[in-house]
Amino acid sequence: AQKITQTQPGMFVQEKEAVTLDCTYDTSDPSYGLFWYKQPSSGEMIFLIYQGSYDQQNATEGRYSLNFQKARKSANLVISASQLGDSAMYFCAMRTGLTGGGNKLTFGTGTQLKVEL
Amino acid sequence: DAEITQSPRHKITETGRQVTLACHQTWNHNNMFWYRQDLGHGLRLIHYSYGVQDTNKGEVSDGYSVSRSNTEDLPLTLESAASSQTSVYFCASSGRLAGGRVNEQFFGPGTRLTVL
Repeated sequence: AQKITQTQPGMFVQEKEAVTLDCTYDTSDPSYGLFWYKQPSSGEMIFLIYQGSYDQQNATEGRYSLNFQKARKSANLVISASQLGDSAMYFCAMRTGLTGGGNKLTFGTGTQLKVEL
Repeated sequence: DAEITQSPRHKITETGRQVTLACHQTWNHNNMFWYRQDLGHGLRLIHYSYGVQDTNKGEVSDGYSVSRSNTEDLPLTLESAASSQTSVYFCASSGRLAGGRVNEQFFGPGTRLTVL
């Protein structure tokens, strides 16, 4: 069975600082993908970044980067230069298998990030 | 612009009633999903569909059903609502992988359901 673990229920970071949100995963499938979503207080789910299990380089999207350590089964999200608008709940999710084009996701329990002045 | 919508956005119902939550997407995606979000659990998959007439049970499917008669819609029905089904419900859709492109799931705005 697939499992995603996010061990930080809440985190604080100073504005303009970098922050790392932890995510570990468990799967026996050699083909999988890892996603991070942001959920602000308004409730919508916003896709941030994706890492495929066969990707050679760590994914980056603007201020977001994914620190992918395959042997340790971790896929931590790094947010550089935090902004007040980054305050939100962040979810790590995993998709297993590459066939079908849209396999279901398994989500972690989330990390609530608060950016302070 | 393509989008995914849910209705109603808020619903209060009584125990034992049948409730249907609508989900409509204009992305022309084959894949559609229903999740529920509860504090301490993240999002959990209820049902999903990979195409018309295809439906599958997810992790927490008991008490729920879906049907897929066209590409655009995947309504979620609570056969006999229970207080344990008070939650926020999200619908999502995704397309097929093409040339290695990431096919993330696009989420609707959510429906907050309260069962009294």
